[in-house]
Amino acid sequence: QKEVEQDPGPLSVPEGAIVSLNCTYSNSAFQYFMWYRQYSRKGPELLMYTYSSGNKEDGRFTAQVDKSSKYISLFIRDSQPSDSATYLCAMSVGTGNQFYFGTGTSLTVIP
Amino acid sequence: SQTIHQWPATLVQPVGSPLSLECTVEGTSNPNLYWYRQAAGRGLQLLFYSVGIGQISSEVPQNLSASRPQDRQFILSSKKLLLSDSGFYLCAWSDSNGQYFGPGTRLTVT
Repeated sequence: QKEVEQDPGPLSVPEGAIVSLNCTYSNSAFQYFMWYRQYSRKGPELLMYTYSSGNKEDGRFTAQVDKSSKYISLFIRDSQPSDSATYLCAMSVGTGNQFYFGTGTSLTVIP
Repeated sequence: SQTIHQWPATLVQPVGSPLSLECTVEGTSNPNLYWYRQAAGRGLQLLFYSVGIGQISSEVPQNLSASRPQDRQFILSSKKLLLSDSGFYLCAWSDSNGQYFGPGTRLTVT
């Protein structure tokens, strides 16, 4: 079983839709959870960084962590064509430790 | 603010040739440094990570090696490239607020 599972998609939504991206994990020791956005042929860009369970909001993005279910989500409100990218989840046990990544979900927002 | 640089951006090398990719970080001291490879349509594969000068941990046995000659410099090398070494190579650094990636080097071995 992989440490982190992520549906690769692809996911295609109309502009303005709410997007939900999800990851599950198996290691209950994970405490730090991240979401990255990666445009084609570019390095991943850190979008959200959360510690333990709960929600964190930043503009149109909301990260949600449910440690009891070992499940994390990223919600994108009012999706824009510029949100079209691959989204990677990642997690770690401690800060500065090894990071475990999902394989990424490809998202296309259609104008 | 912190910045991470990688070069070259793209590279085409014949099988059997050597490789040297360089990564430098600015604006932070004693960062943890990482090398990843991302194959087309696949996730990130951790190759090496370093917690300090001269301290390198290898995650995948292969014909690649890494060195950290200075605090903020991380080098990925190979003596003889294989076709399977083609991919997108990413350097990253981390602190208590997350992990941050460089722009990447796209390597094609022909």
